[in-house]
Amino acid sequence: DTAVSQTPKYLVTQMGNDKSIKCEQNLGHDTMYWYKQDSKKFLKIMFSYNNKELIINETVPNRFSPKSPDKAHLNLHINSLELGDSAVYFCASSRTSYEQYFGPGTRLTVT
Amino acid sequence: QKEVEQNSGPLSVPEGAIASLNCTYSDRGSQSFFWYRQYSGKSPELIMFIYSNGDKEDGRFTAQLNKASQYVSLLIRDSQPSDSATYLCAVKGAGNNRKLIWGLGTSLAVNP
Repeated sequence: DTAVSQTPKYLVTQMGNDKSIKCEQNLGHDTMYWYKQDSKKFLKIMFSYNNKELIINETVPNRFSPKSPDKAHLNLHINSLELGDSAVYFCASSRTSYEQYFGPGTRLTVT
Repeated sequence: QKEVEQNSGPLSVPEGAIASLNCTYSDRGSQSFFWYRQYSGKSPELIMFIYSNGDKEDGRFTAQLNKASQYVSLLIRDSQPSDSATYLCAVKGAGNNRKLIWGLGTSLAVNP
């Protein structure tokens, strides 16, 4: 009965590689988000999609590209990974009342 | 100037006491206010939201909102060691976008 799920949970990869993280929600929400939480624990919004349309696109390197095939799924693809990309990436979803519900997170380590 | 400010803590309280967590925000047009709890190594979990001035109670938790003074607080009564976590304040600003502005969080330690 997982509401917001992410895969993989852990991702260890080398600099320069390309990787993807997937997110799915079964809450029927119309908006999904990607956040980055670094070692200082600050939650930084990266992207948001509402019904498959990009509505929030923060200042993020263009190596990061979100894709939403339908309103229940939001994926994040990262090209040419760098050491500074190491962080925990959270997916979240919300409906019109704005409360956001988070997935378990993907801990990305770039070596 | 940060848009949502919280004291980073750690805030240390004895078991059974009231823990008081505070958050101030800069956007006077802010509409919705959220408190999340994040245990170490886990994802943020929504515990309270409040939209109107005044108090809102849910079990041991009370959220208080004062829009004139631009602050929102969270009170935890009868604090338990299991309440030890980081508490994040998030604010939805004016406008139609879904973006929440997040504070850095306050670390709470409840000592048995």
